[in-house]
Amino acid sequence: DQQVKQNSPSLSVQEGRISILNCDYTNSMFDYFLWYKKYPAEGPTFLISISSIKDKNEDGRFTVFLNKSAKHLSLHIVPSQPGDSAVYFCAASPGGAGNNRKLIWGLGTSLAVNP
Amino acid sequence: DTGVSQNPRHKITKRGQNVTFRCDPISEHNRLYWYRQTLGQGPEFLTYFQNEAQLEKSRLLSDRFSAERPKGSFSTLEIQRTEQGDSAMYLCASSLGLADSGANVLTFGAGSRLTVL
Repeated sequence: DQQVKQNSPSLSVQEGRISILNCDYTNSMFDYFLWYKKYPAEGPTFLISISSIKDKNEDGRFTVFLNKSAKHLSLHIVPSQPGDSAVYFCAASPGGAGNNRKLIWGLGTSLAVNP
Repeated sequence: DTGVSQNPRHKITKRGQNVTFRCDPISEHNRLYWYRQTLGQGPEFLTYFQNEAQLEKSRLLSDRFSAERPKGSFSTLEIQRTEQGDSAMYLCASSLGLADSGANVLTFGAGSRLTVL
């Protein structure tokens, strides 16, 4: 059972436009969400995160929105650049006591930004 | 510091052979994770160390798999009697974990790709 769902396996946008990548989750215990970007032949690289106490976090061209009631988050990239072309993974961390945390990952969305 | 280093980058082996992967994390990071990723999937958690202690193992980690981090620095992941289903990218990640902190940002290595023929 996929607890973190990225329902769009791929997305294509024009350079300069907005890219919106979506992620849904089922476990209400998740309290921390992260986006990672992955280029071919490299490991995933951290992009941006959001805690469940917030509904928005912004870092330069990247903004993550969290809608807890809908169990939905989205990553907005504005403006999109060809170098943003990569696979984007949504990941969530379950709550609980202690410092033993592991991430639950979505399947990824492949973003292609066309010049 | 050059980040998280994994070796070898690619290993091709015959079914039934043993393989070992090594991960050198970022030196000041106390937490080390192993993940497995197959094509079209997200990374799947295998195991996690805090310093030299292995604190959690996924049920994906069968008894053919063993991971160690003897001195709390580098780690090895050994797969015995490999099977074709073991073919995947094995990712190592490290983080600086603080007591009772939230989810840590992981720094990943480039991965070790295993192909079992």
